[in-house]
Amino acid sequence: GEDVEQSLFLSVREGDSSVINCTYTDSSSTYLYWYKQEPGAGLQLLTYIFSNMDMKQDQRLTVLLNKKDKHLSLRIADTQTGDSAIYFCAETPGSSASKIIFGSGTRLSIRP
Amino acid sequence: DGGITQSPKYLFRKEGQNVTLSCEQNLNHDAMYWYRQDPGQGLRLIYYSQIVNDFQKGDIAEGYSVSREKKESFPLTVTSAQKNPTAFYLCASNTAGGNYGYTFGSGTRLTVV
Repeated sequence: GEDVEQSLFLSVREGDSSVINCTYTDSSSTYLYWYKQEPGAGLQLLTYIFSNMDMKQDQRLTVLLNKKDKHLSLRIADTQTGDSAIYFCAETPGSSASKIIFGSGTRLSIRP
Repeated sequence: DGGITQSPKYLFRKEGQNVTLSCEQNLNHDAMYWYRQDPGQGLRLIYYSQIVNDFQKGDIAEGYSVSREKKESFPLTVTSAQKNPTAFYLCASNTAGGNYGYTFGSGTRLTVV
């Protein structure tokens, strides 16, 4: 089946790097995504990576994909208070290009 | 500006009432989706539509209904058959077969009083 799993909480000190991890089960996933949700708001697409890529960098964000282990991570460099949010990992399964499967989200909190 | 508009932002429903949540997009996207989000949980798919006048049930369609009479609009009705409707509802859209992620609306918080 298709499943995406993430840890529920992560706490980091302001200025440190945050690493949010995700595992998925569908080896034929085509695209993988990271979304950010601030309190009371919808989800905002942060970045996505195609399954034939290992890494993608966009300013403070680095996405690493280990396709063999079906592991996706999001690294946020120099974490700021504005990065406090819930981060969702998601995938487009190989069986259906029209649906996206979401993880349960990781709540990132920032310590001063 | 292009985007998805959900209304209202907050909605209160009495027991036994049907309510309709609005979702409108001006992105010219073919596909539209409704998700339900409960506290501390991920998103669960209620219904989706890939083309006008056609829609499919998602994982938790019971107690909900939708219509897709126009490309821009995908309203969700929460019926009295939905036993636990209090939740945050999110609408999303993308191009048909698009793999570049969904665009989400800002959500409607529904509370049963």
